[in-house]
Amino acid sequence: GAVVSQHPSWVICKSGTSVKIECRSLDFQATTMFWYRQFPKQSLMLMATSNEGSKATYEQGVEKDKFLINHASLTLSTLTVTSAHPEDSSFYICSAPRTILYEQYFGPGTRLTVT
Amino acid sequence: AQKITQTQPGMFVQEKEAVTLDCTYDTSDQSYGLFWYKQPSSGEMIFLIYQGSYDEQNATEGRYSLNFQKARKSANLVISASQLGDSAMYFCAMRDPNTGNQFYFGTGTSLTVIP
Repeated sequence: GAVVSQHPSWVICKSGTSVKIECRSLDFQATTMFWYRQFPKQSLMLMATSNEGSKATYEQGVEKDKFLINHASLTLSTLTVTSAHPEDSSFYICSAPRTILYEQYFGPGTRLTVT
Repeated sequence: AQKITQTQPGMFVQEKEAVTLDCTYDTSDQSYGLFWYKQPSSGEMIFLIYQGSYDEQNATEGRYSLNFQKARKSANLVISASQLGDSAMYFCAMRDPNTGNQFYFGTGTSLTVIP
């Protein structure tokens, strides 16, 4: 069964509004979670590393004021897309490493469409 | 510099045949991990197989095996006895311990299994 969940699975919002995406580790604690963005037929691009109890680390070129990340607990990280624009429409995926192998378990993804 | 290279944007294989998906990587580290993930049209990322840089044996998981050639820095995925359900995108990824264990993904290979 799924070990990482995301909510919502899809969302449509109007330009200028904000959208919050939740990522939860279901049966393990994750001090670190990763947020990725994937455009159609492209690879996953790491946006930021979410750290429980501290600020997120953003990849170069990712606006931290636009993509707000909060790692509220050992099982929950949230990504808020603020003042969304149509170009923010994408597939957003979170992941969390679980075992000593550090394999990442991915959430099912959230498809965001900004109209 | 690109760390993971997948040179096959699309591959076709006959059902029940074996197929090899190529992956080369670039790192100067001695310790790293290599992963393969499957992404069906639903979007979820499914962990398939892992190879550690110090593992002398090629990793195997059911019908999946990893042809690890360390000197050539390649980690090709071999799928034996292909099934229609294997049709999906396949991503090779490398864990970089120098960057908080974040993953670098290749551009992916779209595999289509032909009945």
